Formats: sequence, structure tokens, C-alpha cells
Amino acid sequence: DAGVTQSPTHLIKTRGQQVTLRCSPKSGHDTVSWYQQALGQGPQFIFQYYEEEERQRGNFPDRFSGHQFPNYSSELNVNALLLGDSALYLCASSPGRGGFSGELFFGEGSRLTVL
Amino acid sequence: GESVGLHLPTLSVQEGDNSIINCAYSNSASDYFIWYKQESGKGPQFIIDIRSNMDKRQGQRVTVLLNKTVKHLSLQIAATQPGDSAVYFCAENMGYSTLTFGKGTMLLVSP
Repeated sequence: DAGVTQSPTHLIKTRGQQVTLRCSPKSGHDTVSWYQQALGQGPQFIFQYYEEEERQRGNFPDRFSGHQFPNYSSELNVNALLLGDSALYLCASSPGRGGFSGELFFGEGSRLTVL
Repeated sequence: GESVGLHLPTLSVQEGDNSIINCAYSNSASDYFIWYKQESGKGPQFIIDIRSNMDKRQGQRVTVLLNKTVKHLSLQIAATQPGDSAVYFCAENMGYSTLTFGKGTMLLVSP
């Protein structure tokens, strides 16, 4: 049973560019959440997708957007990259129906470096 | 704003010792907490959770204690092993499986 998979694992961009990160949830999970983890910090919630719609959003600017596809996979897009966007971007999946069961499965993350 | 935080950034122990990692939370309405372990280069991994109607919950070599009076959580690891070396986060469920994480405590286990 494949867990949460993310791509790419590492990427380097320059300021002002745009980036797209991808995530496939754990089998049987229909809810995908994205977190940003700066070096030495805990993950911070960006947003969550359920039934192809953004259900919850954290305190992130509109430059951060996302999408969920019918197969539950998801993309995170960041426009007009800033140096401060350099971080590990984590995708997490969970079953959406019936509320939060407890365990949130995380992927290994995509390490974004903005130069 | 209200957030989850940790007292100790780094904890160094000897193999075989018991480890205790602490966490303070500020939202008295919080009713669900989770501990995660994050090894270098990997995503956070679920360790154990506890709901606010409980004071203690035990897993394999791990115990979580919740003190609602002082809004404090702790994670106890028995017979700590080198493989336990990682960063440990406590997290607070904000609903719909959205979590607020603390800054983390690095646990270093010496053989």
C-alpha cells in the first residue's frame, strides 16, 4: 500500500518564478492538506482540499493556490516566489468523511530553494 | 494568537534512559493532541494521540500525559534507543484534521 507520495523531492527556483508541487494521497484517503516547514520550525498549515474544493485555509497569501483532482491527488502552486518561500512543503492525507480519525499521513516533502 | 509551543529545544540522553519531552498549549478549548516524530529528510510520523477527556495514554514504549489544568502535554519514551533520535512535535487539532504544530524538540540519543 503506497503512502503519500510527493514530487519533485528537490527543486531550485529564482525569485519571481512560479512553482507547482504534486501530491498523491494514501490509498483510501480523499482529503489532502499542505504544510510549509521552514528550517528549524514546525510545519505550518497552508490549506486543505476535500471533494476538489478548498475546505480550510491557513494564514498564507493568495500567491499560494491549489487544486485537487477527481482521483484525489493535489497540486500546490506558488506564484511570484520570494526568498522566504524556501522551505520543505509537506503534503498530508486523511479520510475526509466522518471527521478526523486521528492519524494524518505525511509525505516526505518537496524541498524548495528560492535564489 | 494562540499556539502550541515547546519548552526545550534540545534533549540529550543516553541509550537506555527514559526521555521526557514537554509541550505547552494555550488554547484551553483544544480537545485533541498528537505527537509526531520527524527524522532528518523525512515527513512527520504519527506517534501517539490523546483526547482531552483522557489524562494518559500508552503505546509501545511511549506514554503521553495531558494536564488540562496547566495546559501541558508530555511525551515519555521508555528505554530510549539511538533510533529514537529525531525532532518531536506536539500538534493541536484545529478541526477537519488541520493541525497547529509547535516548534519541536530535538532528541539526541548517545550509545
